[in-house]
Amino acid sequence: NAGVTQTPKFRVLKTGQSMTLLCAQDMNHEYMYWYRQDPGMGLRLIHYSVGEGTTAKGEVPDGYNVSRLKKQNFLLGLESAAPSQTSVYFCASSYFSAYEQYFGPGTRLTVT
Amino acid sequence: AQTVTQSQPEMSVQEAETVTLSCTYDTSESDYYLFWYKQPPSRQMILVIRQEAYKQQNATENRFSVNFQKAAKSFSLKISDSQLGDAAMYFCAQNTGNQFYFGTGTSLTVIP
Repeated sequence: NAGVTQTPKFRVLKTGQSMTLLCAQDMNHEYMYWYRQDPGMGLRLIHYSVGEGTTAKGEVPDGYNVSRLKKQNFLLGLESAAPSQTSVYFCASSYFSAYEQYFGPGTRLTVT
Repeated sequence: AQTVTQSQPEMSVQEAETVTLSCTYDTSESDYYLFWYKQPPSRQMILVIRQEAYKQQNATENRFSVNFQKAAKSFSLKISDSQLGDAAMYFCAQNTGNQFYFGTGTSLTVIP
């Protein structure tokens, strides 16, 4: 079992560029989440999904879009990157919302 | 808005001693769950312990235990017999419905 994987691990973008972060899980989990982690801020929920074809907003959704076309994949998109989106992005999945979340290794994104 | 507060940005403990990390939260919900996650320098988030709010009994996992005070909205983590491998950032988190809220973390140093 690979668990939760994230692609890419590192990325540098210029302001205004777009990109997609891919999260994949092989545990057949229904729930998937995208967080960002900034120094001194802890983790903040961006978007989440409770099943294939569903998405919902978290605490800080502005500037991001997501899609869950397949149960095992959860994509996070930045249409026009801004320096404020420089962060470490974590994907997580769980069987149920109140259960343990399994986290990916993170993606470090820098927007210049 | 729901908040999770960790008032100790840094803590240190002697190896084999006991340390307690503090966490308070704010919610108007009656049904929720609380978690402590560990993030070592590898950046991988790992679940330490989980507590259901409807359970009065404090959760324990080997050397890790919590002191859950529902009326005070307090959820502290006690680490007994501290080991060098316990050195990490520790995050307190609260789950209500499908939303997760994390604290800003406590950096724990274990002194040999």
